[in-house]
Amino acid sequence: AQSVTQLDSHVSVSEGTPVLLRCNYSSSYSPSLFWYVQHPNKGLQLLLKYTSAATLVKGINGFEAEFKKSETSFHLTKPSAHMSDAAEYFCVVTAFSGGYNKLIFGAGTRLAVHP
Amino acid sequence: KAGVTQTPRYLIKTRGQQVTLSCSPISGHRSVSWYQQTPGQGLQFLFEYFSETQRNKGNFPGRFSGRQFSNSRSEMNVSTLELGDSALYLCASSFQNPTEAGNTIYFGEGSWLTVV
Repeated sequence: AQSVTQLDSHVSVSEGTPVLLRCNYSSSYSPSLFWYVQHPNKGLQLLLKYTSAATLVKGINGFEAEFKKSETSFHLTKPSAHMSDAAEYFCVVTAFSGGYNKLIFGAGTRLAVHP
Repeated sequence: KAGVTQTPRYLIKTRGQQVTLSCSPISGHRSVSWYQQTPGQGLQFLFEYFSETQRNKGNFPGRFSGRQFSNSRSEMNVSTLELGDSALYLCASSFQNPTEAGNTIYFGEGSWLTVV
């Protein structure tokens, strides 16, 4: 069965320092993986998507993620945090079940950015 | 291109009432799915519609229902509201058929429902 685990519920960084949000997945087939961001009182915005092309995926706002099959990981990184990056981040894996494509969401990681 | 539009954005209802939430997908998108988000349960899948047919359903009671119209717009209805139904209800749309792998979905801003 497909599953996704976000290893940190909260991450706190200083502005200008690197960001690392960790995500491990479990999938019995080649998965599609996504990162979404949710700012307070907003919906989810797609940051980036992996679908078996390049293992290093570049997204919006300077974020990128690397698909590592051997480690079953899809960690999200950004070289330099900005105050506007403070939000909740969700790692998502697709699960093909009963003939349909379902999204399996991680529990979320809340990123705090301090001046 | 306009994004996924949900209305109303905020509403307050009383226990026992019913509520209807509306979702207009991105132009050209044919699939609409609904999610409930609460602090305790996180994001939970409600149902998905494609070509006016429900294709996929989560584990919610029958009080939660939905439909999709020929223009791909969708509504979800919750009857006999309970306090526990207070949540952010998110609608998402995608171009692909839900049977296709690698489907990318795009979310709306959500409808905040408070049941008192």
